[in-house]
Amino acid sequence: DQQVKQNSPSLSVQEGRISILNCDYTNSMFDYFLWYKKYPAEGPTFLISISSIKDKNEDGRFTVFLNKSAKHLSLHIVPSQPGDSAVYFCAASARGGAQKLVFGQGTRLTINP
Amino acid sequence: EPEVTQTPSHQVTQMGQEVILRCVPISNHLYFYWYRQILGQKVEFLVSFYNNEISEKSEIFDDQFSVERPDGSNFTLKIRSTKLEDSAMYFCASRRGTNEKLFFGSGTQLSVL
Repeated sequence: DQQVKQNSPSLSVQEGRISILNCDYTNSMFDYFLWYKKYPAEGPTFLISISSIKDKNEDGRFTVFLNKSAKHLSLHIVPSQPGDSAVYFCAASARGGAQKLVFGQGTRLTINP
Repeated sequence: EPEVTQTPSHQVTQMGQEVILRCVPISNHLYFYWYRQILGQKVEFLVSFYNNEISEKSEIFDDQFSVERPDGSNFTLKIRSTKLEDSAMYFCASRRGTNEKLFFGSGTQLSVL
């Protein structure tokens, strides 16, 4: 039951260029979306989130776009830096109840010097 | 920034043994969660805990699993009789309120032999 999908297992980007990570979801009850960054042997670290009432949220080099009609969100990192190399997880939660996060499979981003 | 603290960082146990994974959530948080990640797979929800009771649990969280918040600061996950397939990284997480970001601990790597 893959309610949140990240179809690209890996992405390689040149330093200084834009990194675009994509995520699709199927559950129309999801109303809060988050991106997490994860290094090996560490817990996920929160990056940025967006509520379903918005279509864009920006924080420094990170911007998240939400297209509700397409059930698609993306994370843009501009400019990409070597320290951005990590696994990025998209996550979503639905209103009410425990609001558990449902995670995608992750995309391994590598920034090349 | 405040942190979610997990101990131990690594736990090795024999199949059939009981293990207790410990977590200290962020002090003013009200919602507590356990997730796990089997090597190479996505982060999976196990259980959520609010107002001193389980609010939701996944299919993985069977009778062998239990959670407790024995005092105002600790949150534990117990596995009564471990199986080989319980080997994973277990993450504790907490949040202050609904539709807020989830903070994760650095995880306990559980190896069942």
